[in-house]
Amino acid sequence: GNSVTQMEGPVTLSEEAFLTINCTYTATGYPSLFWYVQYPGEGLQLLLKATKADDKGSNKGFEATYRKETTSFHLEKGSVQVSDSAVYFCALQSGGGADGLTFGKGTHLIIQP
Amino acid sequence: DAGVTQSPTHLIKTRGQQVTLRCSPKSGHDTVSWYQQALGQGPQFIFQYYEEEERQRGNFPDRFSGHQFPNYSSELNVNALLLGDSALYLCASSRRIEKLFFGSGTQLSVL
Repeated sequence: GNSVTQMEGPVTLSEEAFLTINCTYTATGYPSLFWYVQYPGEGLQLLLKATKADDKGSNKGFEATYRKETTSFHLEKGSVQVSDSAVYFCALQSGGGADGLTFGKGTHLIIQP
Repeated sequence: DAGVTQSPTHLIKTRGQQVTLRCSPKSGHDTVSWYQQALGQGPQFIFQYYEEEERQRGNFPDRFSGHQFPNYSSELNVNALLLGDSALYLCASSRRIEKLFFGSGTQLSVL
């Protein structure tokens, strides 16, 4: 079956540091890949997505590249801000978008001023 | 434009009871999905409703059932509650298989 593994948190960084959150997956076929973010007290929000190999998703300074050869979709940002503090979830979806999402356990990111 | 709304926000039940959670999708959306998020875990897919029928289902027992109404709103029902059913239940809506929008969830505690 499908599964997503992402790095354990919490991850604590100083403002303006470089961020990487690792995500690897196991899936049949060619899934779409996603990063969702959950700010305190709010619902999950789609941050970015990629639907095929070598696609790069990007949004709000974050980016991730769909690497089929390494089954990875690592999230990166060049300079984090305090407002980026949140829980980040990597997820995949098979079935051309009709299936439910399979999520990782989430990574809690804490940015200190 | 209201987003996805869920009710109630918090709920406390005892083992063996039954519970109903409600979800109103974002305006213009016709598909509703439900997810269970246990503490410290990622959300797990329960099922998806479209055109008032269950279209996809995750690995959840028959104690979990749902319904979608003609106005696209949805209910999640859980029978014979177990302690392990304590979790945040998330509703997500979309226009068919387009981008999902999540509600803030219903926190269910089973004592």
